[in-house]
Amino acid sequence: EIVLTQSPGTLSLSPGERATLSCRASQSVASNYLAWYQQKPGQAPRLLIYGASSRATGIPDRFSGSGSGTDFTLTISRLEPEDFAVFYCQQYGLSPWTFGQGTKVEIK
Amino acid sequence: QVQLQESGPGLVKPSQTLSLTCTVSGGSITSGGYYWSWIRQHPGKGLEWIGYIYSGGSTSYNPSLKSRLTISLATSKNQFSLKLNSVTAADTAVYYCARDLWGFDYWGQGTLVTVSS
Repeated sequence: EIVLTQSPGTLSLSPGERATLSCRASQSVASNYLAWYQQKPGQAPRLLIYGASSRATGIPDRFSGSGSGTDFTLTISRLEPEDFAVFYCQQYGLSPWTFGQGTKVEIK
Repeated sequence: QVQLQESGPGLVKPSQTLSLTCTVSGGSITSGGYYWSWIRQHPGKGLEWIGYIYSGGSTSYNPSLKSRLTISLATSKNQFSLKLNSVTAADTAVYYCARDLWGFDYWGQGTLVTVSS
């Protein structure tokens, strides 16, 4: 199975700052079938990005995804107070679908 | 607007079968070529994909659970279900159902299932 490794584990930033989250795959993700999710406490995850770089419906343009092959990045251009949460990457190019372990973005 | 809702017992005894149902509203479970997945999250931990059923009925399971797992469709009720046999405390988790095509775009709210005697 494809193992996804996210870094850093925790990111401490202030509102208005830029956040850069990394997701590295143990092998190439077919067709860049990689998604990003945001999860807040007590809630289900929310799809942010699919296909490595396409924003899901209703997602603000401050969220962007990039990358290909084994290295992917989620960027939040200017953090809003509601953006602080845990973020997961997930690949759906090869079964079993797998998730990264998550990056927590916390208020500094 | 598509909505998903999990239902089932919140407490299951060890060695018994965990059974959950996901009811889909706002669209037919058999149209659109979607996959319908189950995902779980152990307390305080990350996400684990359990498996999916395609709207046409074919399934794909996580190999780590395959020997104990059945996912099925109930098209007349617009539902899909999860059965996990021989559960242990390691199966205690929040279980989510989700629509799956290009990532999981719609999720249920999740239901906590505790395995304990």
